[in-house]
Amino acid sequence: QSALTQPPSASGSPGQSVTLSCTGTSSDVGGYNSVSWYQQHPGKAPKLMIFEVNKRPSGVPDRFSGSKSGNTASLTVSGLQAEDEADYYCSSYAGDKNLVFGGGTKLTVL
Amino acid sequence: QVQLVQSGAEVRKPGASVKISCKASGYTFSSYVIHWVRQAPGQRLEWMGWITADNANTRYSQSFQGRVTFTRDRSASTAYMELNSLRSEDTAVYYCTRGSFTTFGVVKYYFDFWGQGTLVAVSS
Repeated sequence: QSALTQPPSASGSPGQSVTLSCTGTSSDVGGYNSVSWYQQHPGKAPKLMIFEVNKRPSGVPDRFSGSKSGNTASLTVSGLQAEDEADYYCSSYAGDKNLVFGGGTKLTVL
Repeated sequence: QVQLVQSGAEVRKPGASVKISCKASGYTFSSYVIHWVRQAPGQRLEWMGWITADNANTRYSQSFQGRVTFTRDRSASTAYMELNSLRSEDTAVYYCTRGSFTTFGVVKYYFDFWGQGTLVAVSS
């Protein structure tokens, strides 16, 4: 399976909203409601932010929301805060008991 | 609280093997799945596969099939990942992560808790 496509970088000012994209194919993102998003700060383990396209784990602020349209999933971060600056990775179930990750987007809070 | 604590950093020569442990606490080990994910320096996350803690069923990513083995010790609430025939490209941080099942017993593919990571450096 090929990696999902994410833009390498994104940015926004504090208080603004930013949307990160994750593009796959009908064999992964478009074919299953099994997209997840992870936040990773430098030198730290990833943290689950969104699962099953748009569900938030307990403890994740509601400023984080997920959606999907066709073969592209999106993570929107509203009311940007300094601590949101991190790398964000999407992942999707890709059929036949396989999982694929995206290349990651570095989010900068200006 | 749920914790996954991994063994320490390892240095290996090309062609050697490495075995990493992942000790779980704060939840019923047998009721969940352990997935393994790795991240080479500055690179994306890469899923390696999973092992069910209850009956040790496994699924390996095609990228690692034949070179990786997952095992678990239920009595110790510990999972293990062994990677053989190491090459320089295997230099990475290896994470164990917790996954769950659907109500029908199908493995889910998202990870709610992660270990701290184990650096494996492969160098001659």
